[in-house]
Amino acid sequence: DTAVSQTPKYLVTQMGNDKSIKCEQNLGHDTMYWYKQDSKKFLKIMFSYNNKELIINETVPNRFSPKSPDKAHLNLHINSLELGDSAVYFCASSQGLPGISYNEQFFGPGTRLTVL
Amino acid sequence: DQQVKQNSPSLSVQEGRISILNCDYTNSMFDYFLWYKKYPAEGPTFLISISSIKDKNEDGRFTVFLNKSAKHLSLHIVPSQPGDSAVYFCAATPLSGGGADGLTFGKGTHLIIQP
Repeated sequence: DTAVSQTPKYLVTQMGNDKSIKCEQNLGHDTMYWYKQDSKKFLKIMFSYNNKELIINETVPNRFSPKSPDKAHLNLHINSLELGDSAVYFCASSQGLPGISYNEQFFGPGTRLTVL
Repeated sequence: DQQVKQNSPSLSVQEGRISILNCDYTNSMFDYFLWYKKYPAEGPTFLISISSIKDKNEDGRFTVFLNKSAKHLSLHIVPSQPGDSAVYFCAATPLSGGGADGLTFGKGTHLIIQP
């Protein structure tokens, strides 16, 4: 059984379009994340979210928005896609509770987004 | 500004020998450190972690060493096996945040195990 899954695995789209990437975890974790791996291979945090708090990396454009229909899902919506959004996007989850404990993050397989 | 640095983009080691991957950090707020392994077209997989109250943590063939004064950690793999060939990422976070801050990753080191 896949612990953290993402769909789609590949996404090719035109500039200006709006797209979504879905993420689901079946680990019962409380906190989920989105990371971006750019062309220089840096993995950078975009968002972290639990049922109480959304923390946004201030460098992330507001065209990106996470949406969580329930504790097991954290989807990423991107509006008005730009060429520079082309990257691999990873979803992750952990059982850490802010200020209380921390456990390792489990990552999904990634979604390669190509904006033409 | 890279807060976590892995200065070796690649490392080649003979099968059976020891692999040593290095990582440096600059942010004094980091007190929890993790190593992840990544194969092509897959997500990073957790390997081993260490908190700043320890200087060593061991799990099978993998040992992580932390030198807080030097802001340096290393991952030792003994003995190295062909399946260890992958990209290894060092990551760090402030433990008090409970993960809310996310992980700050290094750029990764591509480990190649030669038969």
